[in-house]
Amino acid sequence: GAVVSQHPSWVICKSGTSVKIECRSLDFQATTMFWYRQFPKQSLMLMATSNEGSKATYEQGVEKDKFLINHASLTLSTLTVTSAHPEDSSFYICSARDLSGGELFFGEGSRLTVL
Amino acid sequence: QKEVEQNSGPLSVPEGAIASLNCTYSDRGSQSFFWYRQYSGKSPELIMFIYSNGDKEDGRFTAQLNKASQYVSLLIRDSQPSDSATYLCAVIVSGSARQLTFGSGTQLTVLP
Repeated sequence: GAVVSQHPSWVICKSGTSVKIECRSLDFQATTMFWYRQFPKQSLMLMATSNEGSKATYEQGVEKDKFLINHASLTLSTLTVTSAHPEDSSFYICSARDLSGGELFFGEGSRLTVL
Repeated sequence: QKEVEQNSGPLSVPEGAIASLNCTYSDRGSQSFFWYRQYSGKSPELIMFIYSNGDKEDGRFTAQLNKASQYVSLLIRDSQPSDSATYLCAVIVSGSARQLTFGSGTQLTVLP
């Protein structure tokens, strides 16, 4: 089946630094990718919808200047957490839908810990 | 009111029993419904999707949809300890960009 790869799978950083997470669709092209955040024992919360070649659409309450999303190609979207703080520590998951608009495939997730 | 609601559990069933997971949604215009399984520390994996009223069976799993009652359920027959996970109900809400809105998940434990 289709594969979505995220990198890194886990990262630890100091408060105030920036962290970039990559989401790649390995065997299909994705015009739309979604970024979710999941805190412990909570559900996935959609952060933003990333569209290839255009600006991302952010959900209410998500700071677009803090969570920078770039979807430069049909196979890659990146999420950069700028000036990370401990409260940004979470499990970040991307998902991608192929060009036919069918099934949604999830990446493996990236666990961010901000010290 | 949350758009997608699930009983958080935990739900415990003995091995071999039927596990029943329930989900209600608020948007009457929703057309697509999904069940995902998520193991601790892992990303969700799709188990089933259902679009039409009634039952849909796939192996040990049966999804049931009742649009009039805005209710979707997942039955797991012959439950196995490996089925122990959090089960997430997800809905594509009408008018959205076809992104999924997730429920909070139900934690299932199958006791050997």
